Amino acid sequence: KNQVEQSPQSLIILEGKNCTLQCNYTVSPFSNLRWYKQDTGRGPVSLTIMTFSENTKSNGRYTATLDADTKQSSLHITASQLSDSASYICVVSARTNAGKSTFGDGTTLTVKP
Amino acid sequence: SQTIHQWPATLVQPVGSPLSLECTVEGTSNPNLYWYRQAAGRGLQLLFYSVGIGQISSEVPQNLSASRPQDRQFILSSKKLLLSDSGFYLCASTGTGKSNTGELFFGEGSRLTVL
Repeated sequence: KNQVEQSPQSLIILEGKNCTLQCNYTVSPFSNLRWYKQDTGRGPVSLTIMTFSENTKSNGRYTATLDADTKQSSLHITASQLSDSASYICVVSARTNAGKSTFGDGTTLTVKP
Repeated sequence: SQTIHQWPATLVQPVGSPLSLECTVEGTSNPNLYWYRQAAGRGLQLLFYSVGIGQISSEVPQNLSASRPQDRQFILSSKKLLLSDSGFYLCASTGTGKSNTGELFFGEGSRLTVL
């Protein structure tokens, strides 16, 4: 069964600090892995997308890594800001018809001043 | 990139009443379309997906149905709402063929409360 597990479930950090969110998956055959940011009551917005051959990808202060051998990904947030407070969702797609995706439950990040 | 329009944003309905949530897509043609439901603090659950007009696949048995009357229109419906239908509903789209980068584009969501 395809699964995506994220940790921690929630995280509180002080403004300006760095943090790393984790994602482990068992989706097969692997197509791509995406990180989304979801503000409360809004739709998710894509941060990064990585395919099998990509190890790291950055989007501003967000850097995602992918280890396809161990089936792990991380999202590193540098110099956090109050606006980074949101839920971060790891999504993994298999190479199947319609490209259906498996979602993690998300990590809720709270950045405090 | 694609833009997903979803409405209404908020809906409060009595048990047993009908439901219609609408979603339209701009910026692409022949997209794959999806309806997800998100429970509080949980991941997204795929309800329906469509690869073309009139083509609907259901992922979980439920009180809801979906229709795709036009290429870029996706509708989520129910004839009689249950309390358990309450939740946050998200419409999403991907491209197809060469325009499919694997990225899901989401609408802003519709929060449904059934009383």
